[in-house]
Amino acid sequence: GIQVEQSPPDLILQEGANSTLRCNFSDSVNNLQWFHQNPWGQLINLFYIPSGTKQNGRLSATTVATERYSLLYISSSQTTDSGVYFCAVEQDDYKLSFGAGTTVTVRA
Amino acid sequence: ETGVTQTPRHLVMGMTNKKSLKCEQHLGHNAMYWYKQSAKKPLELMFVYNFKEQTENNSVPSRFSPECPNSSHLFLHLHTLQPEDSALYLCASSQVPSEQYFGPGTRLTVT
Repeated sequence: GIQVEQSPPDLILQEGANSTLRCNFSDSVNNLQWFHQNPWGQLINLFYIPSGTKQNGRLSATTVATERYSLLYISSSQTTDSGVYFCAVEQDDYKLSFGAGTTVTVRA
Repeated sequence: ETGVTQTPRHLVMGMTNKKSLKCEQHLGHNAMYWYKQSAKKPLELMFVYNFKEQTENNSVPSRFSPECPNSSHLFLHLHTLQPEDSALYLCASSQVPSEQYFGPGTRLTVT
C-alpha cells in the first residue's frame, strides 16, 4: 500500500515562531487532507488540498502532486496550535491512508 | 447537534462484555467510516459504508461487527475483546468523493 511519511516527528516552537511540516507520499493520490488532533482526540479539518496552495488565517498548505509531497505552514504560532498534525491521502474512493503525524508543542 | 457525534465518549469493558459504539452524522453525507487509533500507530481504516453498503472490511477481527441501518447512523458492536483492542475509535463521514469529517471519538479500555 501507499506510504505516507511526515516530518519532523516532533517540533517544539516558541510562541510567535513560524514552522513548516512536510508530508511525502509514495504514489499518486486523488486527494490529500491535513488535520489537527487536539489533546482530547478530536480531528479538526484544516485543508482539503489535492494540489495547489490554500490559506486559512495563520495556516497555509501547498501540495505538489507531481512530486508527491505537501507542506503545511504555521505562522506566528500560538499555544493553541499545540497538538498532532496528520496528513492523509486518498487513492481509491473512500479510503484515507494516514501518516504517523507531527507532534507540535508551542511554548509561551 | 451538528457535524459528527459519537457516544459514549469513554468506555471501559471487560473481555467478556458486549457493548456498542454509536456514530451519527448530521451533514447529509452518503458515506461513513470507522477508524482505530492505537498508541504510537497511525490511524487505521476499519470499515467503510457507502450508501449503507459495506464496501471495505480492512481485515478486521470478527469480534468487531459494524452496522449501518441508514445513511446517518453507524454502529460498532464489540464482543469478547482483547486488551490490545484498547484504543480511540473514530467515526467519520463524507459526501463522496469529498473530504472526510471526524467525530470526537470513543476512548475504549478493555480490562
